Amino acid sequence: GAGVSQSPRYKVAKRGQDVALRCDPISGHVSLFWYQQALGQGPEFLTYFQNEAQLDKSGLPSDRFFAERPEGSVSTLKIQRTQQEDSAVYLCASSLGAGGLRNEQFFGPGTRLTVL
Amino acid sequence: RKEVEQDPGPFNVPEGATVAFNCTYSNSASQSFFWYRQDCRKEPKLLMSVYSSGNEDGRFTAQLNRASQYISLLIRDSKLSDSATYLCVDSGGSYIPTFGRGTSLIVHP
Repeated sequence: GAGVSQSPRYKVAKRGQDVALRCDPISGHVSLFWYQQALGQGPEFLTYFQNEAQLDKSGLPSDRFFAERPEGSVSTLKIQRTQQEDSAVYLCASSLGAGGLRNEQFFGPGTRLTVL
Repeated sequence: RKEVEQDPGPFNVPEGATVAFNCTYSNSASQSFFWYRQDCRKEPKLLMSVYSSGNEDGRFTAQLNRASQYISLLIRDSKLSDSATYLCVDSGGSYIPTFGRGTSLIVHP
C-alpha cells in the first residue's frame, strides 16, 4: 500500500546552497509533521500542519528553515543557505486525525542531508 | 520545555531473555504515550500505545506509572529480530509529540 514517501532520499549540498525536501503523506491524512533526527538522537519536532494550515513552527531552528503545505497534501521543507549543522535526517510523518494525541504517526523513510 | 528521558543503552541480552526499559517524562499533564521501534537507518514505526495503566500485545507489555511519571516497555522471550532502537514518545496532551533519544537493544544468539 502507499505509505509516506519522501524525496530525495539522499542529498549532498555545499555550504550556502538552498535545498528543498519533499514529503508525500498518506492520502487523506489531516496531520503532517516534520522532524530532524541527528545521529544517536530521537526525532526533534520542527513543524506541524493540519491540512494546509501551519499550526506550529516552533521547532524550526532558524529563519533559514521554511515549510509549506499549500493544498493540504504534499509538503516541502526548504532550507536556505545550508550550514554544516543542518546535516541530519529529515523525517516526515502523517496521521489521520488532528494532532498527535492518540493518533498513530506514519513516518516516511527520511531524507539524509549532508552539508559539506 | 517538555522532557522525555531514556537510557540510551545498549541493552545486550541473549535470545529468550526478558528485558525492560523505562522512560521518564516531565509533563504531568500528559495523557498518552507511545513506543516506536526504529531499525538502523530506517524510519520509526509504532509498536504500542499507552493511554491508561498499560497495554499488552503478545510478548510486549507497556505500563504507565503516573505517580512516578514513567512508562515502561517489557519484552519477553527476546528474539534476534527485536534488536532495534525503542523510542518513547509523549504526546503531551496536544499535537506536538516529544520523542526520547531512544534505547538501543541488541539481542544475541
